Amino acid sequence: QPVLTQPPSSSASPGESARLTCTLPSDINVGSYNIYWYQQKPGSPPRYLLYYYSDSDKGQGSGVPSRFSGSKDASANTGILLISGLQSEDEADYYCMIWPSNAVGVFGGGTKLTVL
Amino acid sequence: EVQLVESGGGLVQPGRSLRLSCAASGFTFDDYAMHWVRQAPGKGLEWVSGISWNSGSIGYADSVKGRFTISRDNAKNSLYLQMNSLRAEDTALYYCAKKLGGLAAFDIWGQGTMVTVSS
Repeated sequence: QPVLTQPPSSSASPGESARLTCTLPSDINVGSYNIYWYQQKPGSPPRYLLYYYSDSDKGQGSGVPSRFSGSKDASANTGILLISGLQSEDEADYYCMIWPSNAVGVFGGGTKLTVL
Repeated sequence: EVQLVESGGGLVQPGRSLRLSCAASGFTFDDYAMHWVRQAPGKGLEWVSGISWNSGSIGYADSVKGRFTISRDNAKNSLYLQMNSLRAEDTALYYCAKKLGGLAAFDIWGQGTMVTVSS
């Protein structure tokens, strides 16, 4: 199963934007996959945030603010989660996920976001 | 209220077996695929296994293939994970998760049940 690479940590100040990345291995084209993003706070199960395939095929989880958005950088084979207008409550771990096949899923290693 | 409640975790010796259960309520269980996701202490999420609504499609992570078996009983609104030949590296909090209809996202998660494999 493929390995999705996420930076272990990231930080930004309140009000700024945070750009979290999820890099796919070179033998898997990011353009072919929905990228799913989850948020997890300590002591809680993950929360589904959104998915992104393209600008015309994307979706927000129930109750997820619009300041959470997804995109892709095809040149870097990377999925991106952008969090604008950072708030202290956004401090959490963030995981990307893809489905290399219908029946098999894989998570990235996660990024711990610190809101300074 | 939509709810998933896992049970069956505990301390088990290496090489032994354990069966996890997940009781679903508040939604039509047999309309949705269900999955198990685990998280080792202080580590990230790992997808473990998934099963379609009618058990016709099943998948496993390479790390558990041949040792774990997922199943469901739609009449009992329950999901199961039979774990055999347990290893220390299987120590984790095991979450049951519901797949969002029409999209491969997990919209509902349980609180998890802890499995500790140690002698």
